[in-house]
Amino acid sequence: GAVVSQHPSRVICKSGTSVKIECRSLDFQATTMFWYRQFPKQSLMLMATSNEGSKATYEQGVEKDKFLINHASLTLSTLTVTSAHPEDSSFYICSARSRDKGRRNTEAFFGQGTRLTVV
Amino acid sequence: AQRVTQPEKLLSVFKGAPVELKCNYSYSGSPELFWYVQYSRQRLQLLLRHISRESIKGFTADLNKGETSFHLKKPFAQEEDSAMYYCALSGYNQGGKLIFGQGTELSVKP
Repeated sequence: GAVVSQHPSRVICKSGTSVKIECRSLDFQATTMFWYRQFPKQSLMLMATSNEGSKATYEQGVEKDKFLINHASLTLSTLTVTSAHPEDSSFYICSARSRDKGRRNTEAFFGQGTRLTVV
Repeated sequence: AQRVTQPEKLLSVFKGAPVELKCNYSYSGSPELFWYVQYSRQRLQLLLRHISRESIKGFTADLNKGETSFHLKKPFAQEEDSAMYYCALSGYNQGGKLIFGQGTELSVKP
């Protein structure tokens, strides 16, 4: 299947700094990318939906000024956690979907996730 | 509201036993349902989607609109089936986003 690469896989940062996480679709063009957050032993919580060339759509309760999403091309989306705090420590996962010729969504492919620790 | 419920956090069975992972959903339209699996230290990957009606690794799932369920079944569990299983829903005309259930950890013992 298609590959989605997420970088870095693990990052530790100081409180108050910003961290950027990249999500790339390696062998397909992703019309839409999604960012999830996963707490230990819990489900994936959708944070935002990102379409290439347009502003991201954030889910209720997710601060868009805190979690900046940029989808600059059909193969790259970035999530920047600004002014990070310890409570932002979590596992962040991206996924990407494209559309087939009938404009139906293909399956979602997931990145390997990024473990963010804010100290 | 859209919701996916997986009532069991952990399901433990012996090798060769049948397994059923439950999934119920709440959605006002006609959703698309999926099962995703996450093996230890690996990324999430698609196992089944209801529109394809396939059997993957011996697993099947039937969409029951009357009961709003999409339970995952396998007649004879194998040790290599041990993983986290997530049921997910995608609504029509919602840009392809997935809403996940809480996940069920399947442990298959020898």
